[in-house]
Amino acid sequence: EDQVTQSPEALRLQEGESSSLNCSYTVSGLRGLFWYRQDPGKGPEFLFTLYSAGEEKEKERLKATLTKKESFLHITAPKPEDSATYLCAAFPYGQNFVFGPGTRLSVLP
Amino acid sequence: DTGVSQDPRHKITKRGQNVTFRCDPISEHNRLYWYRQTLGQGPEFLTYFQNEAQLEKSRLLSDRFSAERPKGSFSTLEIQRTEQGDSAMYLCASSYLTSTDTQYFGPGTRLTVL
Repeated sequence: EDQVTQSPEALRLQEGESSSLNCSYTVSGLRGLFWYRQDPGKGPEFLFTLYSAGEEKEKERLKATLTKKESFLHITAPKPEDSATYLCAAFPYGQNFVFGPGTRLSVLP
Repeated sequence: DTGVSQDPRHKITKRGQNVTFRCDPISEHNRLYWYRQTLGQGPEFLTYFQNEAQLEKSRLLSDRFSAERPKGSFSTLEIQRTEQGDSAMYLCASSYLTSTDTQYFGPGTRLTVL
């Protein structure tokens, strides 16, 4: 069965303290790995799509990387406005998105 | 703003009542998805449409749930005889069928069943 897990469940950082979020996936064939940001009470906001192992994408303080079994979202020098839940979703061939439970990130000033 | 819109944003209803939600996708998108999200969890797939055809339904979608997308534009999700377990955020997303198939989400409808 296709499965996506994320760790840690919650993460507290001081402003400027860099860290990484993990997304582990078990799917029959990966078409793409997606990262979204979700603020409380709102819908997920698209961040990145990764398609093959070794691929990296960057946007401001965020960088996403992909291996054959995991994806990492690296946050460099975070600011309080980066506080949100970060969701990853695996997109298997012939099926629909499988989301992980998310990592709740809090960045303290 | 031409993103995905959903209406209403919040709905409070009593157990046993019927509710209907509406989703308007990004205009050029031909795929439309419905998800359910409960607190502390990621979105769970319910169903999706390609144009007006409903192509897949999750086992989560009981007989009390029905979705339509007449004319391949907006979509509605109806829940009949609501139960307290139906309380959740209902999210709609749309995409354009390509190799990337990136889904863009609406703001969601928060349903509370008393």
